[in-house]
Order: sequence, then structure tokens, then C-alpha cells
Amino acid sequence: GAGVSQTPSNKVTEKGKYVELRCDPISGHTALYWYRQSLGQGPEFLIYFQGTGAADDSGLPNDRFFAVRPEGSVSTLKIQRTERGDSAVYLCASSRGQGLNTEAFFGQGTRLTVV
Amino acid sequence: AQSVTQPDIHITVSEGASLELRCNYSYGATPYLFWYVQSPGQGLQLLLKYFSGDTLVQGIKGFEAEFKRSQSSFNLRKPSVHWSDAAEYFCAVGDYKLSFGAGTTVTVRA
Repeated sequence: GAGVSQTPSNKVTEKGKYVELRCDPISGHTALYWYRQSLGQGPEFLIYFQGTGAADDSGLPNDRFFAVRPEGSVSTLKIQRTERGDSAVYLCASSRGQGLNTEAFFGQGTRLTVV
Repeated sequence: AQSVTQPDIHITVSEGASLELRCNYSYGATPYLFWYVQSPGQGLQLLLKYFSGDTLVQGIKGFEAEFKRSQSSFNLRKPSVHWSDAAEYFCAVGDYKLSFGAGTTVTVRA
């Protein structure tokens, strides 16, 4: 595709439910990132994939959050037992590779609301 | 630890006037610095980036930023603002793992 695609664009779920957020990176981009943006804040790093492996998951807030990228392309962010504090916009980005000379392109995000 | 402070939460500027957005960073080594813009309903778009070399960096949409190591700053400027520049602007520091500031909302009045 032309850019990073995230689905769904909006998700409303009940407290305690499980949700999956999907990210389709730009074709050929080996690096993929998840960020979370709360209202009035800048994005916060969650996890970084290089290929299929999570190279850095230090930003995941707790063990309710998990992300996979089984074939090195599409990634899914999974949140178990959702809490109201998980409500935020979840952003995905991809880049051609690791390194400072590669620009990260962001998707438009998935707005998650936990009620 | 790396971090970014954007002191101004909201700035209002007249169309055609100049704009400067402040950014102060904390980073353990040579910083890699970025400015992103986020318009309503749009994803984050990279305006410009600094890795090394010339401390005055030119970006897209007529923006520029100046890296000042002595002041730990990377301020964004535009000489003449257009109404379409109304958006939220984020400064970020890091390599693959970016730390973003809280953002500055820019309102442009006619």
C-alpha cells in the first residue's frame, strides 16, 4: 500500500475484554514500531520489531500487552483484560530498516476506548 | 534517559507572521532530533531531522530548525505562517526508540 495502514480506525470495548489492533506496514519495510498516544500527550514508545522479532519491548506497560509480527510484515498488538486507562490512540510506524537515516512513517492510528 | 520538553502548550500566530516552537532535550550522547507535525485526522508527518553536521536543518513546508548543543535545544521556525500550518507539533529525540515531547498546538488566525 501507499502508507502504513491501521485497522480498525476506532475500537470501543468493554472493560475486561480482549482486543487486537492491526498494522500493515509499507511494503518492504523491515522495521515496525508501536506507540501509544494518550490525550494531550506525545506518543510513547511501546515496542520495536526488526523483521519477525521484537528487538525492544521495553515500552510495553505490563504483561497484558503483547505484540506479534509472525511473517515480518503485518503486526498485531494484543491487549488482554482491557482497563479504562488503556484508552488511547495506538500508532504504528514502519521504516526501511534500522538506523538513523531511515525515516519512520506513521499510520493514522487506532483510537481505543475502553468503557 | 532521553526526554524532550516542549515548554509551550499552545501558540497563536497571525497568518504571515513568523513562528518559533521551542524544544529542549535530554540525551546521553549525541542527540538525534526530529520534528513531526500532526494535523487532525492525519498521521504524524516528519518535518525535519538532525543527525550530525550543519546545525541548521531545512525541512519540508518551509520549516527549519537549529540545533544548539550548549542550550540543549532544537527550536523549529518558519518565517511566514500559512493557515494550513495549524496543527500539533512534536519534537522527538532518539534513534529507533523515539521520546516525544507533549506537543505544541499552533493556531493560525487570519
